[in-house]
Amino acid sequence: AQTVTQSQPEMSVQEAETVTLSCTYDTSESDYYLFWYKQPPSRQMILVIRQEAYKQQNATENRFSVNFQKAAKSFSLKISDSQLGDAAMYFCAYRSPSGSARQLTFGSGTQLTVLP
Amino acid sequence: EAQVTQNPRYLITVTGKKLTVTCSQNMNHEYMSWYRQDPGLGLRQIYYSMNVEVTDKGDVPEGYKVSRKEKRNFPLILESPSPNQTSLYFCASSPGQPNEKLFFGSGTQLSVL
Repeated sequence: AQTVTQSQPEMSVQEAETVTLSCTYDTSESDYYLFWYKQPPSRQMILVIRQEAYKQQNATENRFSVNFQKAAKSFSLKISDSQLGDAAMYFCAYRSPSGSARQLTFGSGTQLTVLP
Repeated sequence: EAQVTQNPRYLITVTGKKLTVTCSQNMNHEYMSWYRQDPGLGLRQIYYSMNVEVTDKGDVPEGYKVSRKEKRNFPLILESPSPNQTSLYFCASSPGQPNEKLFFGSGTQLSVL
């Protein structure tokens, strides 16, 4: 079974600064999908960004970008120009593409605080 | 509006009293799943379903049941709840492709006394 590890339970960043959240995963598959989800205090789950393993180019969505290192099995999230609204719990997730293994595995989360 | 409707939002019950948390989606999604969220453990998958009458265990299925008799509905059943099932539960759905994002319900905070 795949495992996803987020080694930073809590992080903080000053407003307008940049922060990077780390995520590593363990898999024997060559093709898979990776996601970052955000959970603000409202507890709504919001997709931030996704990456397909066969794509070498790192995904970007406005102020959010990833550093995908397939060989190292690393998938970090960079938030630029941090805003107060970015404060949330962030979850990294792995999804297998095939058959009965096509479930989604989440990491334990990183609580991000944005300081004014 | 495309959404996943999960009820109830909060539930307090006692040990051993059967309960059902309902989940319904209006997007004709093939894939539906249940997760529990606990502090320090993230979201762990309980059960998932690839389509009607097709369900499979996730990482923590013990003590839970599901059914998928209709495409839109995927209820979570706790036949005999215990205090260790106190948790925040999420239902989610997505189209059939694995690169698609999940649409989540608003969550059910369950307390088993």
